[in-house]
Amino acid sequence: AQKVTQAQTEISVVEKEDVTLDCVYETRDTTYYLFWYKQPPSGELVFLIRRNSFDEQNEISGRYSWNFQKSTSSFNFTITASQVVDSAVYFCALSAFHAGGTSYGKLTFGQGTILTVHP
Amino acid sequence: EAQVTQNPRYLITVTGKKLTVTCSQNMNHEYMSWYRQDPGLGLRQIYYSMNVEVTDKGDVPEGYKVSRKEKRNFPLILESPSPNQTSLYFCASSLTLGREPQHFGDGTRLSIL
Repeated sequence: AQKVTQAQTEISVVEKEDVTLDCVYETRDTTYYLFWYKQPPSGELVFLIRRNSFDEQNEISGRYSWNFQKSTSSFNFTITASQVVDSAVYFCALSAFHAGGTSYGKLTFGQGTILTVHP
Repeated sequence: EAQVTQNPRYLITVTGKKLTVTCSQNMNHEYMSWYRQDPGLGLRQIYYSMNVEVTDKGDVPEGYKVSRKEKRNFPLILESPSPNQTSLYFCASSLTLGREPQHFGDGTRLSIL
């Protein structure tokens, strides 16, 4: 079975602070994909990033950066110099692949982390 | 514009009254899925479909039905809704199963009284 844990239920920061959202995953498969989605107060789900299990390169996109570490099964997300517009629920998700398995390609979400950025 | 369209966006109804939430995508995606979102539980998959006439259960299929008669449409049917099905529902589609990001609809908030 695959599992995603986002241990931080809620995080509250003041604007311009850096904040890291944790994501820990479990899978026995060697081929898998990890995703981060953002859900702003308006409710839609917005795709942020995808990583596959063979690419441990960290990524930076503007104020966002992602740290993927297979050794600790983590895919953490950092927002630098947070802004009020970053306030949202953030979801980490995993899809794993193994031939013949019941979870082939199925997307499993973490519980979500509610981020509130105060002005 | 590439999109996944769900209807209705909001619905308040009563226990036992059959309802259907429609979902349509215009991206020619083969893979479609339904999720429900509940506080503290994230998104949980209800049903998914890998192509026309091919559907399978997700993690929480009890009380729901789906059909995939056309590639673009994937309706969610609650034949006898109950209050524990009050939730926020999302339809999603993607080009492949699990490798590509999913495109989500705007969500349907259902309240079953």
